[in-house]
Amino acid sequence: KAGVTQTPRYLIKTRGQQVTLSCSPISGHRSVSWYQQTPGQGLQFLFEYFSETQRNKGNFPGRFSGRQFSNSRSEMNVSTLELGDSALYLCASSLAAVKPDTQYFGPGTRLTVL
Amino acid sequence: GDSVTQMEGPVTLSEEAFLTINCTYTATGYPSLFWYVQYPGEGLQLLLKATKADDKGSNKGFEATYRKETTSFHLEKGSVQVSDSAVYFCALTGLSFGAGTTVTVRA
Repeated sequence: KAGVTQTPRYLIKTRGQQVTLSCSPISGHRSVSWYQQTPGQGLQFLFEYFSETQRNKGNFPGRFSGRQFSNSRSEMNVSTLELGDSALYLCASSLAAVKPDTQYFGPGTRLTVL
Repeated sequence: GDSVTQMEGPVTLSEEAFLTINCTYTATGYPSLFWYVQYPGEGLQLLLKATKADDKGSNKGFEATYRKETTSFHLEKGSVQVSDSAVYFCALTGLSFGAGTTVTVRA
């Protein structure tokens, strides 16, 4: 079974631009979560989608948004990029229907904002 | 709300030393507990899990026991190797992760 895939793996953008990251979960997984990882803040939860609905949301500004498609693939969008948005963005999928249980992570997208 | 607190690092050890990383949690109900590991340049991967009180999860020489009375899930390994150098995250059912503990093992 293929694992969680994320594209692109690396991105370089400039301040003020917007970016879209993509995540394909493991086949059959309907829960997709997104995390931001930085050296200073560790792993911070962004949002979780289940069956195309945002089920949980972390404490990030509205510039960060996401969506999930009917095939469970998910995208995350960040508008008006700031230098502080430079981070590794991780996507994880889970099989559990009520709450995400074991999560399977992708390799991440490394975003650099110049 | 549910939360996880884990020992802050970084932790530096010599090969064959004993490793312990403390993790305590606050949760309603009976969550499953997890340890994830992140090797350099990679995403997180599940190291071990326990689904109920007194369960012991184990993998790759690592062990952790689900202690409901102390709300803890400490990670231990008796003899670490250089290849165990990584960041370790404690987590519980849902979306609660600890801050991560960086472990470096020197030859």
